[in-house]
Amino acid sequence: SQTIHQWPATLVQPVGSPLSLECTVEGTSNPNLYWYRQAAGRGLQLLFYSVGIGQISSEVPQNLSASRPQDRQFILSSKKLLLSDSGFYLCAWIGGRTEAFFGQGTRLTVV
Amino acid sequence: AQKITQTQPGMFVQEKEAVTLDCTYDTSDPSYGLFWYKQPSSGEMIFLIYQGSYDQQNATEGRYSLNFQKARKSANLVISASQLGDSAMYFCAMRELMYSGGGADGLTFGKGTHLIIQP
Repeated sequence: SQTIHQWPATLVQPVGSPLSLECTVEGTSNPNLYWYRQAAGRGLQLLFYSVGIGQISSEVPQNLSASRPQDRQFILSSKKLLLSDSGFYLCAWIGGRTEAFFGQGTRLTVV
Repeated sequence: AQKITQTQPGMFVQEKEAVTLDCTYDTSDPSYGLFWYKQPSSGEMIFLIYQGSYDQQNATEGRYSLNFQKARKSANLVISASQLGDSAMYFCAMRELMYSGGGADGLTFGKGTHLIIQP
């Protein structure tokens, strides 16, 4: 079965510092991978998706970027964090018609 | 226009009662899937139930059932015999399957309903 690993679980970073969140998937190959962000008390907003190595599509312009260096690895980055980047970040694997699984999430607080 | 609308920001329900969480959606795609997720305070998104647009029967998974009314574009989640552990945020989501392509068929989420089960 598919498993999604996300780390770290919690992160407190100062404004202007860099960010790197990692997501890895097990139990599937060539997955479609997604990064979502959830602001406090809100629904999920799609940030990036990737259909393969090196292929990244952005849904929302922001100071974040994503990379897919390996088939089962998806990374979310920022060179300089803003206060507005605070939130709960979720990595997702969406496969067949009925399959959509999420990692445990990373709670990011920018101070 | 919002693709997924959840009109109940919060609900209080007595334990053991049935709960209906509302979800309406908007799409012109003839092929789509509807998902419900539970998000406890820990933050993880727990998959509950799925309904495909061409499914003839309403989906059921244990205490969860989906009241799918296609003509009304409604996909309400019904939780029977609620338990204290059901207290959480609940999200309705949609995936459009025909018109989107190249991996863009991610899930679109509603804003959620905060369900609190009272003893």
